[in-house]
Amino acid sequence: EDQVTQSPEALRLQEGESSSLNCSYTVSGLRGLFWYRQDPGKGPEFLFTLYSAGEEKEKERLKATLTKKESFLHITAPKPEDSATYLCAVHLPSGGSYIPTFGRGTSLIVHP
Amino acid sequence: KAGVTQTPRYLIKTRGQQVTLSCSPISGHRSVSWYQQTPGQGLQFLFEYFSETQRNKGNFPGRFSGRQFSNSRSEMNVSTLELGDSALYLCASSFNMNTEAFFGQGTRLTVV
Repeated sequence: EDQVTQSPEALRLQEGESSSLNCSYTVSGLRGLFWYRQDPGKGPEFLFTLYSAGEEKEKERLKATLTKKESFLHITAPKPEDSATYLCAVHLPSGGSYIPTFGRGTSLIVHP
Repeated sequence: KAGVTQTPRYLIKTRGQQVTLSCSPISGHRSVSWYQQTPGQGLQFLFEYFSETQRNKGNFPGRFSGRQFSNSRSEMNVSTLELGDSALYLCASSFNMNTEAFFGQGTRLTVV
């Protein structure tokens, strides 16, 4: 069954403590894997799109990587302002079309 | 440039009523998607409109409908509201379905 799973559900880090978030997916013919950041009470904010295994993208302290089965969002030396929920999404086949399907997210808290 | 604008930001409705939410996409974006976000189900895709036509639809009952106007602005309607429809409704605009989406702040709907 096609699906998107994120782990861990929650992650607490000390400022400066690097870590990685995981997004695993099962779909044939990936049409892009998307990472978003969502702050409480706000809409998700686009971070990265990855299309091919081996692809990597970076933005400030964040680096996203993609394999054939999963994507990692690496956070290097995080700061308290990196605290947010991080969502990944892929387009899964449904009824002859493809619909964007989000994982449940990883809630990240970075303590000063 | 201006972001995605959703109105109203907050709504309180009674069971059985209907509600219409509005979304103005980023200028130049022709694809508008709607999502429902709840603590229990996460972020779920409702439907997508492109050039005034519904192209994709998620697994929601027919009480949820939408439309898009010639200026790409979109409305979402929910009829015969149920308590379970209480959620954050998010609108996202993009150049096309497979490109990154830019989300509005959302409309917080409470059904009592």
